Amino acid sequence: EVQLVESGGGLVQPGGSLRLSCAASGFIFGSHWMSWVRQAPGKGLEWVANINQDGSEKHYVDSVKGRFTVSRDNAKKSVFLQMSSLRAEDTAVYYCARRNGGLSGYFDNWGQGTLVTVSS
Amino acid sequence: DIVMTQSPDSLAVSLGERATINCKSSQSLLYSSNNKNYLVWYQQKPGQPPKLLIYWASTRESGVPDRFSGSGSGTDFTLTISSLQAEDVAVYYCQQYYSTPITFGQGTRLEIK
Repeated sequence: EVQLVESGGGLVQPGGSLRLSCAASGFIFGSHWMSWVRQAPGKGLEWVANINQDGSEKHYVDSVKGRFTVSRDNAKKSVFLQMSSLRAEDTAVYYCARRNGGLSGYFDNWGQGTLVTVSS
Repeated sequence: DIVMTQSPDSLAVSLGERATINCKSSQSLLYSSNNKNYLVWYQQKPGQPPKLLIYWASTRESGVPDRFSGSGSGTDFTLTISSLQAEDVAVYYCQQYYSTPITFGQGTRLEIK
């Protein structure tokens, strides 16, 4: 069974940093693109970042470019999202998602999410 | 960026009746080389992550009840629930994976009338 478990969320002040982690199990982690998707409270879904199988290719939504960095450790079957210069509008539940079919694939499995709150 | 627009924003349907949700993309999601539409539908219940229902616009994910179906091509797509059940109350999202950035519709809230 595919499992994705996020951690690392919490309350952070504007301008602060936070590192999210997603631990994967139940599939060959190194064979899949992985993504982060967020959902602000009461709002819709927003894709945040992608990373390819070996970490050599990454993509970001414009609003986080230069502030967020996605990475992965295939030996530990984990993907990470380093977030810096956080803003109130980054407040959201952050989901880790597996992509089925590479860069042109859809999200076939999601974690339960971790809540990030940016507030003073 | 491809803009995804769903209609309606909310919908109330009686149990056992048909529910129809529409999704329109700002450009075609049909890739000519493989004749596939890069469109998925998700269901999200309160406090839960999205759940994949339909991919390639019309292929039902394993384990999804056959009352859920997807149709459409190019820029216009539809999710149909043929006979609404109480457990279908949720927010439904369409999403394109034709190009980066991946974009979602704003969601359609489905309730029981």
